[in-house]
Amino acid sequence: AQSVTQLGSHVSVSEGALVLLRCNYSSSVPPYLFWYVQYPNQGLQLLLKYTSAATLVKGINGFEAEFKKSETSFHLTKPSAHMSDAAEYFCAVTPTGANSKLTFGKGITLSVRP
Amino acid sequence: NAGVTQTPKFRILKIGQSMTLQCTQDMNHNYMYWYRQDPGMGLKLIYYSVGAGITDKGEVPNGYNVSRSTTEDFPLRLELAAPSQTSVYFCASRGDGGGGYTFGSGTRLTVV
Repeated sequence: AQSVTQLGSHVSVSEGALVLLRCNYSSSVPPYLFWYVQYPNQGLQLLLKYTSAATLVKGINGFEAEFKKSETSFHLTKPSAHMSDAAEYFCAVTPTGANSKLTFGKGITLSVRP
Repeated sequence: NAGVTQTPKFRILKIGQSMTLQCTQDMNHNYMYWYRQDPGMGLKLIYYSVGAGITDKGEVPNGYNVSRSTTEDFPLRLELAAPSQTSVYFCASRGDGGGGYTFGSGTRLTVV
């Protein structure tokens, strides 16, 4: 079984500040990990994914995440927040293997202050 | 390339009514999924399918049914709608190589 913990439900940063959204996972087998972004009244869009290649993964819109097995973490970062980054962010985990299913965290809402 | 298409986008149902949420993908993906999203709860898996003719229950299947007669289509059926089924429903698909899902734009359902 696998699970994802996203601590807190809301993060607020100033425009230009570092964005750090935390994700910790639990998985009984080596996982694949994902970050998705959801803008208001839209579906989920894949930001980036870890599929057991490089541990530092770069995604769209300047986001990146680092897989740390020892800490069971996959935190999402962006060096400089932009107003357009305001959205809800979901971390998700799936075990490797053909018949795998994504398990999502509860999501974190990111607000960006001018 | 349309990706995953869901219809309708919005729907209001009365308690006890039934309806079908449509989901179609044009990427020839074998794996398809239905999730529901409730505020502060993330997404919960309702049903999934690993190919035409094969479906299985997810985490919250009660009150729903699915079918998968073709690779492209994966409709979700609500029988006897209840207020607890008020939610946003997302359909998703993925290819055989694993990796991320492609999501539809969602159906916002209200049961009154």
